[in-house]
Amino acid sequence: NAGVTQTPKFRILKIGQSMTLQCTQDMNHNYMYWYRQDPGMGLKLIYYSVGAGITDKGEVPNGYNVSRSTTEDFPLRLELAAPSQTSVYFCASRPKPGQATMNTEAFFGQGTRLTVV
Amino acid sequence: GNSVTQMEGPVTLSEEAFLTINCTYTATGYPSLFWYVQYPGEGLQLLLKATKADDKGSNKGFEATYRKETTSFHLEKGSVQVSDSAVYFCALSEVQGAQKLVFGQGTRLTINP
Repeated sequence: NAGVTQTPKFRILKIGQSMTLQCTQDMNHNYMYWYRQDPGMGLKLIYYSVGAGITDKGEVPNGYNVSRSTTEDFPLRLELAAPSQTSVYFCASRPKPGQATMNTEAFFGQGTRLTVV
Repeated sequence: GNSVTQMEGPVTLSEEAFLTINCTYTATGYPSLFWYVQYPGEGLQLLLKATKADDKGSNKGFEATYRKETTSFHLEKGSVQVSDSAVYFCALSEVQGAQKLVFGQGTRLTINP
């Protein structure tokens, strides 16, 4: 069971370059999220999605874009990389709550470590 | 808005010592509370959770009790092991809507043999 898979694991970008961080999950989860983790800080929410075709901004969306064309995939796009985007990025997913389970567990990928130089 | 505050780290203990990592939260309504653990080079894993006041979550010898009156969810373990060395995150989740997780800043725990 693969769970949440992120690629690449590591990447170095030059200022102004663009890239897409890939995230896919095989658990048929409705909800997906992108977080960034800066040293000594907790995780900050960038974007989230409650289902295919539906996305919304989180706490720190500037400089990023997302799309959700399928249930499985939730890519994160950086258009013009800046040093401030150096961070570790985590994708997470969780099932939509049901009647029996009001709050469900979130599953995380292993992260993408991005350095912008 | 919702927020989580954890005790600052890093925390260094000897094996078999007692562990407490403090966590307090600010939230509207009645969120669910979580502790996640991050081992080196890995993503976050759910350690335990509590979904209503006075619930106690427990797993792998760790415990935390949802205290509504003090808005706290402190993590405890009676006897830590070297393998418990990791970063621990307290988090809360909205019960409604997209159930976004809000994290504390994390506490790095190192256990020495």
